[in-house]
Amino acid sequence: DAGVIQSPRHEVTEMGQEVTLRCKPISGHDYLFWYRQTMMRGLELLIYFNNNVPIDDSGMPEDRFSAKMPNASFSTLKIQPSEPRDSAVYFCASNRGTGFPNEQFFGPGTRLTVL
Amino acid sequence: SQQGEEDPQALSIQEGENATMNCSYKTSINNLQWYRQNSGRGLVHLILIRSNEREKHSGRLRVTLDTSKKSSSLLITASRAADTASYFCATDKGGSEKLVFGKGTKLTVNP
Repeated sequence: DAGVIQSPRHEVTEMGQEVTLRCKPISGHDYLFWYRQTMMRGLELLIYFNNNVPIDDSGMPEDRFSAKMPNASFSTLKIQPSEPRDSAVYFCASNRGTGFPNEQFFGPGTRLTVL
Repeated sequence: SQQGEEDPQALSIQEGENATMNCSYKTSINNLQWYRQNSGRGLVHLILIRSNEREKHSGRLRVTLDTSKKSSSLLITASRAADTASYFCATDKGGSEKLVFGKGTKLTVNP
């Protein structure tokens, strides 16, 4: 398996622009997680899905952030409009779900810079 | 918050030495996990220890868990330059797949 795939790997945009980050989880994994990592705040869970359904979005910072999972093999995290303080590395992770050890498999991340 | 807190924040050692990192957490857990993150990469799962276990080994890794003190330690024996990375502990609560990560220990192994 190719592991969790994220795109793009790097994104530089200007304040006010819309940003869309993409994730393909490992095939057969039931859970998908979106994290944000910064030096100041560490690794923060933004939202997670079970079988394509959002379970907990309490970590989503503001209404400017939205996430979707239209099918089992694809998820997006959208920021509209983007702000400089959104600059961070965004990770997607997946795990197999209930009945299995809940270790998470992380993608390589998307480094977002908002100017 | 049941966030894990790693200690020390940074650790620098020579190749061949042992490295010990500690993690403390606040609430009861189902299991505790350790992850490694190389610079510019995603996190990689290293080892999981359940709340009813006290010690676990995997290769050069040894993890201990003391639920009475709400703490865990990760020992890397005979360290190598390739072990240079940040190490994170993560805790969960029973009934949820959600993990809460600490801020990590940055380990540097000098050749």
